[in-house]
Amino acid sequence: QSVLTQPPSVSAAPGQKVTISCSGSSSNVGMNFVSWYQHFPGTAPKLLICDNNKRPSGIPDRFSGSKSGTSATLDITGLQTGDEGDYYCATWDGSLASLNYVFGTGTKVTVL
Amino acid sequence: EVQVVQSGAEVRKPGESLKISCKTFGYRFSSYWIGWVRQKPGKGLEWIGIIYPGDSDTKYSPSFQGQVTISADRALTTAYLQWDTLQASDTAMYYCARRDYYDSSGHPVFDFWGQGTLVTVSS
Repeated sequence: QSVLTQPPSVSAAPGQKVTISCSGSSSNVGMNFVSWYQHFPGTAPKLLICDNNKRPSGIPDRFSGSKSGTSATLDITGLQTGDEGDYYCATWDGSLASLNYVFGTGTKVTVL
Repeated sequence: EVQVVQSGAEVRKPGESLKISCKTFGYRFSSYWIGWVRQKPGKGLEWIGIIYPGDSDTKYSPSFQGQVTISADRALTTAYLQWDTLQASDTAMYYCARRDYYDSSGHPVFDFWGQGTLVTVSS
């Protein structure tokens, strides 16, 4: 089972904002940068946010991330129907040398 | 252009073996770790393990240690995930992805992903 806890689902109307939380511990979120992935089932997951709050090229600024202590957050503003899907936080557990990556439990975003 | 292309869907019976592949293009294969991820039907993403093709250094999640084998062929720029004895519980979508640093001051992430390989194990 995942060591990173996310809410199972969040929802909002088009144009509104949703916030997804990711709760970990001192051995993962607390000591490493957090990434966020967007996943539409049956397709390749897509990197949305890396290093807590950096957006790779091509990711709109409607997506933003932050981290405080052992928790991280993904905000999606200006919600669009195309944002409906699953979102996962992820980080390394322990030192980077451990090569042990962990994913959150996943959150389904629904646009009402 | 970096591309990661996985082999097609597979159907096997319990007890059979299987090896699925992850072919990469457009970058120096030996210099980047490749990770594997499982997604069971209706469930979330799970970390399986990772390999560095340069020297075949491999690390498994404790949950998958001894259950699967990750390997790589530098000449073919391809990584593999294999099972010696499949079980029905191995039915899932499997993804591979390249690990890289977005920023030299940051931590590595998985930036290019394969499209997934659906493995169905059923009698």
